Amino acid sequence: EAGVAQSPRYKIIEKRQSVAFWCNPISGHATLYWYQQILGQGPKLLIQFQNNGVVDDSQLPKDRFSAERLKGVDSTLKIQPAKLEDSAVYLCASSIVGQSTDTQYFGPGTRLTVL
Amino acid sequence: ILNVEQSPQSLHVQEGDSTNFTCSFPSSNFYALHWYRWETAKSPEALFVMTLNGDEKKKGRISATLNTKEGYSYLYIKGSQPEDSATYLCALYNQGGKLIFGQGTELSVKP
Repeated sequence: EAGVAQSPRYKIIEKRQSVAFWCNPISGHATLYWYQQILGQGPKLLIQFQNNGVVDDSQLPKDRFSAERLKGVDSTLKIQPAKLEDSAVYLCASSIVGQSTDTQYFGPGTRLTVL
Repeated sequence: ILNVEQSPQSLHVQEGDSTNFTCSFPSSNFYALHWYRWETAKSPEALFVMTLNGDEKKKGRISATLNTKEGYSYLYIKGSQPEDSATYLCALYNQGGKLIFGQGTELSVKP
């Protein structure tokens, strides 16, 4: 079974530039998550999709971050414009239905550096 | 504010040593506790999902216990090997409907 795929693996941009990350979850997984992991902290949930609908985006900085999962499969996360404090690892995960006991399967992440 | 705390933040042990880390969390509205292992440049890997007070789970040399009444979980590694070097993350799932991660314990095992 193929795991969660993410691209790119690394990205370096200047502040105020735009960037987009892509995620392809495990086939058949209804729930998709985007996390932000800042150095020294645990991953923080940015947005959770159930199929192509948003379940939780309470911690997404909506003035600069956006995400979509148009066909309920793969997803993109965009930052426009980027700030220095956006430097982090962006992790995508998926799970079967999103219940409390469902294992979340993570991709390798995209390490973003904003200069 | 919901805090999940892990200790220690980092740990350096010799090959063959046994070690353990702690995850502390608010005990109210507990649904599940997840443990993950994250090696550098790889994907975080699920270790355990624990739900019941007194639960004990084991996977090879790694085991975990859960106390939901007092709000803590221990992760044990018996006979640490260099390949066990990683960051170990715990995450609480409560009525908020999402995983709240601790900051992780970074383990380094020297040969």
